[in-house]
Amino acid sequence: GNSVTQMEGPVTLSEEAFLTINCTYTATGYPSLFWYVQYPGEGLQLLLKATKADDKGSNKGFEATYRKETTSFHLEKGSVQVSDSAVYFCALSGYSTLTFGKGTMLLVSP
Amino acid sequence: EAGVAQSPRYKIIEKRQSVAFWCNPISGHATLYWYQQILGQGPKLLIQFQNNGVVDDSQLPKDRFSAERLKGVDSTLKIQPAKLEDSAVYLCASSLDLGRGPNYGYTFGSGTRLTVV
Repeated sequence: GNSVTQMEGPVTLSEEAFLTINCTYTATGYPSLFWYVQYPGEGLQLLLKATKADDKGSNKGFEATYRKETTSFHLEKGSVQVSDSAVYFCALSGYSTLTFGKGTMLLVSP
Repeated sequence: EAGVAQSPRYKIIEKRQSVAFWCNPISGHATLYWYQQILGQGPKLLIQFQNNGVVDDSQLPKDRFSAERLKGVDSTLKIQPAKLEDSAVYLCASSLDLGRGPNYGYTFGSGTRLTVV
């Protein structure tokens, strides 16, 4: 079946540091891949997505590239801000549903 | 556009009691999903509706959980009787239809946080 594995957190960074959160997946077929973000007390928000191999999703300075050869979709940001502190979930889609990783908490200090 | 509405935001109950959660999807969204998010884990699909019909409830613990979407709009998820391990955030999501799911706009509500003591 489908599964997603993310690096465990928390990831603790200082403001303006470089961020990488690793995500690998197992799936049949060619799923779309997503990063969702969950701020404290809020629901899940779509951060970015990629629908086919070699696609790069980007939003708000975050980027991730769909790597079919390594079954990965790592999230990166060049310079994090305190406001980026949240839990980040990697996910893949089946026909109409999502399979999520366990989430990675990011804590950014001033 | 109004988002996915859920209520209540928080609920604390004792084990063996019953509880119900309500979800109102985005207007015009035919597909509705309930996910369970246990602390420290990613959301897990419980049940999926297309209009008022169940598409997938294979992960729903049917001995204690039930869900309905009688008029194809809002939905109710019920737990009876609750167990300690049911403590989680219950997230509702909606999308236009089955064929236009996560790739086209899949909106989550803020969730209901359930604590069973």
